[in-house]
Amino acid sequence: AQSVTQLDSQVPVFEEAPVELRCNYSSSVSVYLFWYVQYPNQGLQLLLKYLSGSTLVESINGFEAEFNKSQTSFHLRKPSVHISDTAEYFCAVSYNQGGKLIFGQGTELSVKP
Amino acid sequence: GAVVSQHPSWVICKSGTSVKIECRSLDFQATTMFWYRQFPKQSLMLMATSNEGSKATYEQGVEKDKFLINHASLTLSTLTVTSAHPEDSSFYICSARDREQPISYEQYFGPGTRLTVT
Repeated sequence: AQSVTQLDSQVPVFEEAPVELRCNYSSSVSVYLFWYVQYPNQGLQLLLKYLSGSTLVESINGFEAEFNKSQTSFHLRKPSVHISDTAEYFCAVSYNQGGKLIFGQGTELSVKP
Repeated sequence: GAVVSQHPSWVICKSGTSVKIECRSLDFQATTMFWYRQFPKQSLMLMATSNEGSKATYEQGVEKDKFLINHASLTLSTLTVTSAHPEDSSFYICSARDREQPISYEQYFGPGTRLTVT
């Protein structure tokens, strides 16, 4: 079955430290990958996406993710986190055009001063 | 752009009553909308896919008669939880896909509706 695995349920980190949130998906010929962020009691906001082309994608607030086909991964990274980055992060995959999103379990990023 | 609203943002109802949740795309037309359910500290679980003018497609295990979905226009989909029970208490989130951007595969999410059944 198609699935998405986020290996870390919680990631505590100090402010200005680097962070990596891991995401692996079950293999497929074509795949479209997304990272969403959710703040408490709010809906999801798209952080970045990979559809095709360059395997490294970046967001406007300093996050980046790299599509690694051989390892079926789409890890999210940020070189220096801020307190305001504290939130729940979801990795999601779509396996076909117009298809539904399959979400990972989520990773709670907690940035401490 | 690409704003999705939900109404109400939170609702408390008594067991046995029905509750309707609205999902609207404010600045785009959505031929497809999705309804998700999220329990505390858990991921989003897709309940159904709603296509304008046709019947919704429900995921396995979701009761069609309990969670009624109507997508009557290109900007509005509704989810009605019928005969609600405490176990239906959850955070319900909708999303919509812009009909003008089919190849972006992006879904725009609403802010969610917190349902509490007493």
